Amino acid sequence: NFMLTQPHSVSESPGKTVTISCTRSSGSIASDSVQWYQQRPGSSPTTVIYEINQRPSGVPDRFSGSIDSSSNSASLTISGLKTEDEADYFCQSYDNTNWVFGGGTKLTVL
Amino acid sequence: QVQLVQSGSELKKPGASVKVSCKASGYTFTTYAMNWVRQAPGQGLEWMGWINTDTGNPTYAQGFTGRFVFSLDTSVNTAYLQISNLKAEDTALYYCAREYTSGSDWGQGTLVTVSS
Repeated sequence: NFMLTQPHSVSESPGKTVTISCTRSSGSIASDSVQWYQQRPGSSPTTVIYEINQRPSGVPDRFSGSIDSSSNSASLTISGLKTEDEADYFCQSYDNTNWVFGGGTKLTVL
Repeated sequence: QVQLVQSGSELKKPGASVKVSCKASGYTFTTYAMNWVRQAPGQGLEWMGWINTDTGNPTYAQGFTGRFVFSLDTSVNTAYLQISNLKAEDTALYYCAREYTSGSDWGQGTLVTVSS
């Protein structure tokens, strides 16, 4: 079993770029797919990145995903921040077929 | 388009049972697994497990065995989550989520409140 650790919160100004990390506690971050979900207040989560760096149709290319094996982390980067990007973001990977979620990061755009 | 429509909010007393439904449309129901996710008030996402919609075989995460049951009615493209012997700590939003090739689609969530 492993854990995914995210920063509790990040904040940045509109138009800037922010990166949210997701660090895997054991095993390689590269060994399993990583998804990122956006959850706006009062709404269900939606997929913004799947399979580490793929965007579902309809998700703007301001959203990108990557992994860094040296830090055993996945990252979600949002460029050209908009106020509508203010939300909670969750990373998710797999332990065999079991989903594992990070604790979530609250993004404030101010 | 794909839709997962869940049943409405429930208010239950401790010890009671609840059954949450998740009706799928816009795709072939038996092609993709259905996952269940819990979100306690103000908290993060917690994976409860999944059900194979082709075979009906459920898999439960640690902490969700015994009182939690996943089931299907493929004739109406619906997945169910039943929780028995409800406790106050079961108060949460419960989501169904279809996992497919480009991520996951989620239902709107069902709020279950357990209070005497």
